[in-house]
Amino acid sequence: DAGITQSPRYKITETGRQVTLMCHQTWSHSYMFWYRQDLGHGLRLIYYSAAADITDKGEVPDGYVVSRSKTENFPLTLESATRSQTSVYFCASSRDRGREQYFGPGTRLTVT
Amino acid sequence: AQSVTQLGSHVSVSEGALVLLRCNYSSSVPPYLFWYVQYPNQGLQLLLKYTSAATLVKGINGFEAEFKKSETSFHLTKPSAHMSDAAEYFCAVSEGDFGGSQGNLIFGKGTKLSVKP
Repeated sequence: DAGITQSPRYKITETGRQVTLMCHQTWSHSYMFWYRQDLGHGLRLIYYSAAADITDKGEVPDGYVVSRSKTENFPLTLESATRSQTSVYFCASSRDRGREQYFGPGTRLTVT
Repeated sequence: AQSVTQLGSHVSVSEGALVLLRCNYSSSVPPYLFWYVQYPNQGLQLLLKYTSAATLVKGINGFEAEFKKSETSFHLTKPSAHMSDAAEYFCAVSEGDFGGSQGNLIFGKGTKLSVKP
């Protein structure tokens, strides 16, 4: 049971470059989420999706783009990376809204 | 609006001592409540959940939490700390299946637990 996976686990990119973080879940969960985790800010929701082709903004969506063409995949794209986007990014999935979320291992992104 | 407050960003206990991590929430409707644990360089792992059944909830690794509506609290406890319990712990709340809410989880800022030998 693979669960929820993220790739890459570590990424270094330069300011202005586009980078895509991948998230894949094998449970056929309807809901998927992207968070960033920063010291002093805890977990902040970037975007979430209730189903394929349905996405919505979270608390900190600026500078990020998401898509969800298939239930199992929820990629997060930084269109033009900035140093302030250096963070650890977590993907999560949930069977239904308000229910427990299951987290991937995270991607540590450094923007130089 | 929902919110979660975890009292104490850092808690230190001795091995074998009681672990008590505090969580208070605000919610306009009966909530669902969760505790997660995060070990270094890992994602968050669900420890336990309250979804309006029994008010005392048992989780993995010997942890339990009690939902107290009158105190709007959901504190996490473990009778005897192990070195392996050293991690960061997050409390989260949602408004469950009730209408008028996105149903997303709202997380506390986390409490880092240190265990001294």
